[in-house]
Amino acid sequence: SAVISQKPSRDICQRGTSLTIQCQVDSQVTMMFWYRQQPGQSLTLIATANQGSEATYESGFVIDKFPISRPNLTFSTLTVSNMSPEDSSIYLCSVDSQGQGAVGYTFGSGTRLTVV
Amino acid sequence: QKEVEQNSGPLSVPEGAIASLNCTYSDRGSQSFFWYRQYSGKSPELIMFIYSNGDKEDGRFTAQLNKASQYVSLLIRDSQPSDSATYLCAVMETGTASKLTFGTGTRLQVTL
Repeated sequence: SAVISQKPSRDICQRGTSLTIQCQVDSQVTMMFWYRQQPGQSLTLIATANQGSEATYESGFVIDKFPISRPNLTFSTLTVSNMSPEDSSIYLCSVDSQGQGAVGYTFGSGTRLTVV
Repeated sequence: QKEVEQNSGPLSVPEGAIASLNCTYSDRGSQSFFWYRQYSGKSPELIMFIYSNGDKEDGRFTAQLNKASQYVSLLIRDSQPSDSATYLCAVMETGTASKLTFGTGTRLQVTL
């Protein structure tokens, strides 16, 4: 299955600032997914990123707050903009491993964000 | 809104016993079902997937699917302390750009 390198692994940020999270995949994938996992909660999909097109955002998430880039088939970034303490979460990228020799979704190691 | 329901637990089982984890889903159009294991502070790791009604076995793990009842379960035989983790049920509906909807997870504790 695909291997994902995600960074940073953690960060502490001041409110009002922005943080960009990067995910690099070791193989070409069509779709990349960005999830948020708030403390003690399950995973919530933020958006789906396809190369060459605008990301598709889920209800409750907007591009101005979570801009996403997908410049090629192996890389994507998620920016958390104008952060507030409510944005403190773990952010995870994921790829669909179907067609990569494995079925299912692989996750990056996550970015633990604390906003103070 | 599509929902995936799990009992949050904790589910406590003694070492060597069978752990049974359950999941129900609301969308009858769901086609693919996944079980993930998540250790504290780690990202989810895929354990099993199942598409067809019935049982699917992989080592100590068995996934069971009943689409009529909209129910999927995970059995862990010979539970080990290393199985202690949160188990997430995830459901994918065909035609939704392969999005996964996750349940809230069941925390499993395997006791010595």
